[in-house]
This record gives sequence, C-alpha cells and structure tokens, in this order.
Amino acid sequence: EPEVTQTPSHQVTQMGQEVILHCVPISNHLYFYWYRQILGQKVEFLVSFYNNEISEKSEIFDDQFSVERPDGSNFTLKIRSTKLEDSAMYFCASRTDRGRDEQFFGPGTRLTVL
Amino acid sequence: AQSVTQPDIHITVSEGASLELRCNYSYGATPYLFWYVQSPGQGLQLLLKYFSGDTLVQGIKGFEAEFKRSQSSFNLRKPSVHWSDAAEYFCAVGAGGSGYSTLTFGKGTMLLVSP
Repeated sequence: EPEVTQTPSHQVTQMGQEVILHCVPISNHLYFYWYRQILGQKVEFLVSFYNNEISEKSEIFDDQFSVERPDGSNFTLKIRSTKLEDSAMYFCASRTDRGRDEQFFGPGTRLTVL
Repeated sequence: AQSVTQPDIHITVSEGASLELRCNYSYGATPYLFWYVQSPGQGLQLLLKYFSGDTLVQGIKGFEAEFKRSQSSFNLRKPSVHWSDAAEYFCAVGAGGSGYSTLTFGKGTMLLVSP
C-alpha cells in the first residue's frame, strides 16, 4: 500500500539554524500539507500546496517558513531561523484532488531546537 | 472558524469492554468529519470519515461513528476493545468549498486498555 514517507525521523538543531524537513507524498496525489504538533497540544495546520503554489496557510506559517516541491516527488518544509518554540512533531500529508478523499499522513519528523 | 473538542484527555477501558470516545465540533456548514488514530512512533491513520448520507459510518478495525447534527457530535465507538487499540485518537473536521481543504483537529484522547 502506498504511503507518505518523511525524513529524518528526528532532527536536532541549534536555535537560529535553518532546517529542512523532507516528505515524499503518495505518487498520484496532488494536494500536499504540513501540520505540526507541539508536545501535549493538538495537531495544527500549517500550509497546503497545490498546483505548485501555496493554496492556504495558517497564522503559524510566517515568513520563517517556506515550502517547496523541488522535483516530482519531494515536498519540503524549510524553517529559516529556528526558535525554541518550533520544537514539535511535523507531519506531512497528501491527498488526491477528489474533494471527498482523505489526507494520508506520514510518520512525522520530531524537531528539537536547543 | 471551525473547532473540535475532545473532552476526554485519557480513557481507560478493560479489554473486551465497549468504548465510546467523544467528539464535538463547531462549523457553520455541513462538516466533513474524520477520526484518526496514532500509535507511538506512527503517523496518523484514518479510521473512518463522514461526508454525507448515512449518519452511522463504519471504519476499519471494527470502529464506527455516528454523526448527530443536533448535538454537533461525531462520537467514535467500538463494541469490544482489544489491547492493540491502545493509542491516541484524534477527531478532525474538514472545511472549505465543494470538497474540503484543511483539517482542524481536536486535542486527542489517549486510550489505555487494561487487562
């Protein structure tokens, strides 16, 4: 069964450093998402991406964040200058463009900012 | 804006007993509703979804959920819990246009299963 994959599973970085989180969505999917979950809190939407552009973003997704689909398979989330409060589990998700299909989630990348 | 409330942070159920996890949502239009489960170290796996039609939906692993518009609820049920059901369960509402775009999640309910 096809699945969304994410690398690395755990990333430790120093405050102020740039990080890039990697995702490989399911191959025939057209919508891509990033969510995050701070420890003990709910899963929060960050950004959605469709047709090579951001389709929607939340207030969390400020200028420090960016997304890219550099080739036909990868979908990345970049945080330019990490802050302590960026420590969280980051989930990538994808789905088809059929309105009633569910989002498929990857296993997540745990980001720890020291 | 939409929101989801899962009032129970933790629930402990004996193996073989029935389970009900509560979920209330707030959304102005007809919601798209989902239940996901997360086992330790795993991603979010879809258990079931509701878009329209029959208000009682069946999912994987013997789970079902009932949409009650009058109560703005979408509670998850299972008649007999197995130890492997121990995990965190998330209710989510999808919103946006003719399909849905983003998901808004509840805080989750951790299910513990006692022998």
